[in-house]
Amino acid sequence: DQQVKQNSPSLSVQEGRISILNCDYTNSMFDYFLWYKKYPAEGPTFLISISSIKDKNEDGRFTVFLNKSAKHLSLHIVPSQPGDSAVYFCAASISNFGNEKLTFGTGTRLTIIP
Amino acid sequence: DTEVTQTPKHLVMGMTNKKSLKCEQHMGHRAMYWYKQKAKKPPELMFVYSYEKLSINESVPSRFSPECPNSSLLNLHLHALQPEDSALYLCASSQDQGVINTEAFFGQGTRLTVV
Repeated sequence: DQQVKQNSPSLSVQEGRISILNCDYTNSMFDYFLWYKKYPAEGPTFLISISSIKDKNEDGRFTVFLNKSAKHLSLHIVPSQPGDSAVYFCAASISNFGNEKLTFGTGTRLTIIP
Repeated sequence: DTEVTQTPKHLVMGMTNKKSLKCEQHMGHRAMYWYKQKAKKPPELMFVYSYEKLSINESVPSRFSPECPNSSLLNLHLHALQPEDSALYLCASSQDQGVINTEAFFGQGTRLTVV
């Protein structure tokens, strides 16, 4: 049972345009969400997060939007750069008094076209 | 130093072998994790150590045995593995298990092939 889903396995975007990566979840208990970026032969690196008490969090070119009623979040990258080409994982967790653990989505491979 | 270092990068082992994966961090993090990632699948949590004690075991078969000798080191001992255990094994650390949500640092992984 995949509780965190990224339905687009791949996405290609022109350099300079906006990249939008989507993530859906089924467990309404999730209250914290994160995006990780993974280059080949490297481990995932943390990108940005959002708590369920917010609907938007911005960090430079990266913005994450959360729609709790739709159980949907998205990552916007503006403007997209060639170095953004990577696999992006959405992850979610439930606050559990220090016993939190991450549930990852299946990932979306983003390719930025120069 | 914001690195999590995993050794070896690649490992090929037979089903009767005993081997160990190693993970090291010097960021003073008190929580360390083992994840398993199969091709085109998300990372799946295996074990969590918090303050050098095992806090989560995600029903992992006993042929995988974790060990945390000290706060900087995390090992995964492998014995009698099956070919289906072939995967990328990722180690991660965070300041505290309760604050994994803020930032977890991952190593580059060990690519394990069981023959």
